[in-house]
Amino acid sequence: EPEVTQTPSHQVTQMGQEVILRCVPISNHLYFYWYRQILGQKVEFLVSFYNNEISEKSEIFDDQFSVERPDGSNFTLKIRSTKLEDSAMYFCASSEVGQFLDSPLHFGNGTRLTVT
Amino acid sequence: QKEVEQNSGPLSVPEGAIASLNCTYSDRVSQSFFWYRQYSGKSPELIMSIYSNGDKEDGRFTAQLNKASQYVSLLIRDSQPSDSATYLCAFHNFNKFYFGSGTKLNVKP
Repeated sequence: EPEVTQTPSHQVTQMGQEVILRCVPISNHLYFYWYRQILGQKVEFLVSFYNNEISEKSEIFDDQFSVERPDGSNFTLKIRSTKLEDSAMYFCASSEVGQFLDSPLHFGNGTRLTVT
Repeated sequence: QKEVEQNSGPLSVPEGAIASLNCTYSDRVSQSFFWYRQYSGKSPELIMSIYSNGDKEDGRFTAQLNKASQYVSLLIRDSQPSDSATYLCAFHNFNKFYFGSGTKLNVKP
């Protein structure tokens, strides 16, 4: 069964450093998402992406965050200057369709980001 | 502010019993509802999707949707210790999926 692939599985970085989290969504999916989950808390929406542009972003997704689809398969999340509070599990997800059509979200295995 | 409310639990049931998980949501427009299972340290895994009022069964799982009451539930029959996890309720509206905080289920052998 096709799956969403995320790399790396664990990233440790120092405060103020830039990190790039990488994802390969399921190949026929059109909508891409980043969610994060701080330990013990709920899954929080960061951003959705369709047709090479951001569809929606949350208040968490400030100027320190950016997303890119540099080629036909990869989808990346960049955090420009990491803070301690960015430590969380980051999930990439994709769905076949979006907006009003019915299609579930499929998650990758996540990247655990630890900012020291 | 669109919200999904779930009892955080933990909900403890003996092996073989029926586990009943409940969820309410705030958005009257949404048409798509989902249940995900999340093991500790892992990503959410889709269990069921439901789009119309009534019941939908898949193996030991039954999802129930009542749009008028803005309520969705998940029944797990013949609960197994391997069902012990956090169950997340979610709905889809426009460009994002909204998740509840999850209900932790413990199935005791």
